Amino acid sequence: AQRVTQPEKLLSVFKGAPVELKCNYSYSGSPELFWYVQYSRQRLQLLLRHISRESIKGFTADLNKGETSFHLKKPFAQEEDSAMYYCALRPYSSASKIIFGSGTRLSIRP
Amino acid sequence: SAVISQKPSRDICQRGTSLTIQCQVDSQVTMMFWYRQQPGQSLTLIATANQGSEATYESGFVIDKFPISRPNLTFSTLTVSNMSPEDSSIYLCSGAPGQGANEQFFGPGTRLTVL
Repeated sequence: AQRVTQPEKLLSVFKGAPVELKCNYSYSGSPELFWYVQYSRQRLQLLLRHISRESIKGFTADLNKGETSFHLKKPFAQEEDSAMYYCALRPYSSASKIIFGSGTRLSIRP
Repeated sequence: SAVISQKPSRDICQRGTSLTIQCQVDSQVTMMFWYRQQPGQSLTLIATANQGSEATYESGFVIDKFPISRPNLTFSTLTVSNMSPEDSSIYLCSGAPGQGANEQFFGPGTRLTVL
């Protein structure tokens, strides 16, 4: 079965500390992985996708097929990073269906 | 990118009634989707809204409960029928410019409370 697991419902770190939001997936093929973010009172929006291998707002995520993980990392957290983060998987590139994880609320303490 | 709006933004409804949620996209999109996000839960795909044909429903969702229309490439509606308190949720519309597109754009959501 296709599944995305985010083990942490809430992650609280101090400003300037490193951040890692965990994401593991279950899928037998080659998935596309995404991170979506929802800031307070804003709509859900794409943060980054694994195929782009890009850094957005200082965040990076590497797809590890051996560990079936796609953890989101940032070396130095900022207060404006406080938001809800969703890891998501698209089973194969020709489909548009996206499967979301349960989300992790990131709280940055000053 | 596409900007998606939804109406209403929130509503409080009585058990047994129905509510239709509208989704408008500011540009043509190939794919449109409806999601549900129950309190404390993740987003769950209800169905893919297909232009000019019946929507494609995910397991656990049926047309009688969640009829969907999509008359053109920029507009869709989702009706929550014969509501019960368990239908209290946020309903989200999303659009993607093409099948297999890398990004889906989301509407602001409709917060539904059923008493």
